[in-house]
Amino acid sequence: DIRMTQSPSTLSASVGDRVTITCRASQNIGSWVAWYQQKPGKAPKLLLYKASTLENGVPSRFSGSGSGTEFTLTISSLQPDDSATYYCQQYNSWTFGRGTKVEIK
Amino acid sequence: QLQLVESGGGVVQPWGSLRLSCAASGFIFRDYSMHWVRQAPGKWLEWVATISPDESNRYYADSVKGRFTVSRDNPRNTLYLEMLGLRAEDTAVYFCAKDRDSGGYYDAFDYWGQGTLVTVSS
Repeated sequence: DIRMTQSPSTLSASVGDRVTITCRASQNIGSWVAWYQQKPGKAPKLLLYKASTLENGVPSRFSGSGSGTEFTLTISSLQPDDSATYYCQQYNSWTFGRGTKVEIK
Repeated sequence: QLQLVESGGGVVQPWGSLRLSCAASGFIFRDYSMHWVRQAPGKWLEWVATISPDESNRYYADSVKGRFTVSRDNPRNTLYLEMLGLRAEDTAVYFCAKDRDSGGYYDAFDYWGQGTLVTVSS
């Protein structure tokens, strides 16, 4: 099974900060990575797919990069509405990372 | 407007069974692979099962293989998850999700239902 190791598990940052979340795959998965945002009590929302393609309607402050085994999600200027848990997913065989909770200072 | 609505959750005793449904609307259901994902209370997302558009391919997480069965009724635009031999560790919110791709490949999950809670407890 392909494991997705996500870090950090939590982070606290101020409005306007640049925030980066990392996901490492246990084997080469090309660019088959998606990123999701989940707020408490809600379903996850797709942010990016194919590692770096922004889903329709997602603000451009979100971006993704990486290929092979190392992937990053970046929020260029953190906004209050970005307080949520973020998950990476590889869709070779669909496993998720364990999430990163982003808090606003 | 695309919608996925899960139902069928509830409280069930260990070793019991339950069938979840996911009613789809707003897209051509028969063209897309569909998925089940669960989330235990306070925990991360866990992929559970995937089914191809024509049911020819089904995939399961090791944690549910042999106990859960994913199926679909394309004329009724409905996805199912039959769960047998339920255990306490199956307690979770179960989400259905639609695959992005309609071309026979698997992709990210672009639409999700609101989830239905399954509680396994005596």
